[in-house]
Amino acid sequence: DGGITQSPKYLFRKEGQNVTLSCEQNLNHDAMYWYRQDPGQGLRLIYYSQIVNDFQKGDIAEGYSVSREKKESFPLTVTSAQKNPTAFYLCASSPALSSGNTIYFGEGSWLTVV
Amino acid sequence: GENVEQHPSTLSVQEGDSAVIKCTYSDSASNYFPWYKQELGKGPQLIIDIRSNVGEKKDQRIAVTLNKTAKHFSLHITETQPEDSAVYFCAAPLGGKLIFGQGTELSVKP
Repeated sequence: DGGITQSPKYLFRKEGQNVTLSCEQNLNHDAMYWYRQDPGQGLRLIYYSQIVNDFQKGDIAEGYSVSREKKESFPLTVTSAQKNPTAFYLCASSPALSSGNTIYFGEGSWLTVV
Repeated sequence: GENVEQHPSTLSVQEGDSAVIKCTYSDSASNYFPWYKQELGKGPQLIIDIRSNVGEKKDQRIAVTLNKTAKHFSLHITETQPEDSAVYFCAAPLGGKLIFGQGTELSVKP
């Protein structure tokens, strides 16, 4: 089936550690995105990528890093510099950059700092 | 600044009643307006969208209306059912990116 796969679904991190969230899509989409969602809040854009080997900061990029070495993969690293990393993280993709294009979401990853 | 405002933040209706959620946007060049439904612990799913060349679009019990002059669009759900309970997000393209509203938590009481 075509879609977006995020892993792991649940992740616990100790303070001071970096963690990487995986996102893979088989929709042949050029654009990919990472959003953060806090309880009862909307979606805030962390990073986005229009094409392989290119990515741009979103509204809340501090403390996060990404790479886009392959079209189908867009991993997100939550670094120790991110002060409040506990949140629900959503990966998404679209045929091209989102203006006028439908964005499709994965099922999300819960990150908890312990 | 560029943003999308969504109201209300919470909405409670009786089963069978209608529900209406409204969004306003700031960029008059925006031309695509999707609505997403998010169930607890899951990713948002697209339920309906509308482009700026039409004023209304329907899909069974769901409809979206667009008023480009006033820069607002609305989601209408008729004959609500308990399974419609979820968080609904509107979105609009601003500056080449899709900007989401803050969400509306809809509760349908049996």
